[in-house]
Amino acid sequence: GAGVSQSPSNKVTEKGKDVELRCDPISGHTALYWYRQSLGQGLEFLIYFQGNSAPDKSGLPSDRFSAERTGGSVSTLTIQRTQQEDSAVYLCASSLGQDTRYGYTFGSGTRLTVV
Amino acid sequence: AQKVTQAQTEISVVEKEDVTLDCVYETRDTTYYLFWYKQPPSGELVFLIRRNSFDEQNEISGRYSWNFQKSTSSFNFTITASQVVDSAVYFCALSEVSGNTPLVFGKGTRLSVIA
Repeated sequence: GAGVSQSPSNKVTEKGKDVELRCDPISGHTALYWYRQSLGQGLEFLIYFQGNSAPDKSGLPSDRFSAERTGGSVSTLTIQRTQQEDSAVYLCASSLGQDTRYGYTFGSGTRLTVV
Repeated sequence: AQKVTQAQTEISVVEKEDVTLDCVYETRDTTYYLFWYKQPPSGELVFLIRRNSFDEQNEISGRYSWNFQKSTSSFNFTITASQVVDSAVYFCALSEVSGNTPLVFGKGTRLSVIA
């Protein structure tokens, strides 16, 4: 597509439920990144993919968080047994390659609210 | 470890005033990239500029200008004659040139331009 697409744009869920957030990167972009933006905080790195592989999972805050990417395209971030502290905007970005000279293109994010 | 500090959490200016957003960074890398992104109320981060560490020339783009000073590890952003449409959160970010690590972002500065 023309840009990075994220769905849903908003998600309200009950504490303890699982959620799936989807990111559809720009066609041909091999690198894909997930960040989390909490109120008043900067962008916290979660995980990135080069193709379907995730070389760096160091940012995932707990084992309740997981992500996958299939076909070198769409990625899904899954949060199991959601907690209130998971409430944030989850941003996805894609890039032509790992080299940051290409820059990142961001989606509009998924606003997750855990009640 | 890499770190980006944006000490100004929020700034308010009156339209047509000039405003400077500060960014100070820390890195052990001798070569790196610095970035500025704009996040308008819609939520999507918009790329503004990328600067290589070996290029200390200042850059001007319309009403925007950037002052990169390696000696003080700063990469400040100035908006001249601010407009209401400049109201947004602005993020400074840093990455190593190899691209093996993702962008590290500051916490952002919220700029409000009042008519």
